[in-house]
Amino acid sequence: DAKTTQPTSMDCAEGRAANLPCNHSTISGNEYVYWYRQIHSQGPQYIIHGLKNNETNEMASLIITEDRKSSTLILPHATLRDTAVYYCIPRGGGSQGNLIFGKGTKLSVKP
Amino acid sequence: NAGVTQTPKFQVLKTGQSMTLQCAQDMNHEYMSWYRQDPGMGLRLIHYSVGAGITDQGEVPNGYNVSRSTTEDFPLRLLSAAPSQTSVYFCASSQGTTQYFGPGTRLLVL
Repeated sequence: DAKTTQPTSMDCAEGRAANLPCNHSTISGNEYVYWYRQIHSQGPQYIIHGLKNNETNEMASLIITEDRKSSTLILPHATLRDTAVYYCIPRGGGSQGNLIFGKGTKLSVKP
Repeated sequence: NAGVTQTPKFQVLKTGQSMTLQCAQDMNHEYMSWYRQDPGMGLRLIHYSVGAGITDQGEVPNGYNVSRSTTEDFPLRLLSAAPSQTSVYFCASSQGTTQYFGPGTRLLVL
């Protein structure tokens, strides 16, 4: 499994875009990049995933570099409720297999 | 759909006691798993199941047993609780690539 590097913490002003980076330079060709978040004391919540094309859904956008060694999760208009720990997780394509969680990035959205 | 449910929400045990953490899902997912989360850490996989009657060990299985007699339920058993098992326990299920997590059980072992 690929190893990831994420900032320990980040701050963002409410209403502004939050850009969360993740380095996954050892990702293999069949591994997708998944993003989950964990709001304090709750179970992790799926956000988005992608292989090599940029992806967008109702929650966020995912930008993956052409060499696939890094990606950025974008929350376009962060709210206070987006304060959470965000995990970037490479995972085999089509796999129902287990998620390997690192320590993630603690995003604090401030008024 | 209720999604993934876990009971109890909180539990205090004495060292050596046994208990079962319950997990149920109503989405007819084949895959279910148990994770534990210690303070300031990411989740670590304890056991998982790819379907009824099939279970396997994860990263930290020692001290825990599981069984999967139905698709809906995946209980986690602590046979003899130890203080090192104080943690928050999350159950998850998936069908396809997205995992859905329960709200967690907070366990304190004294």
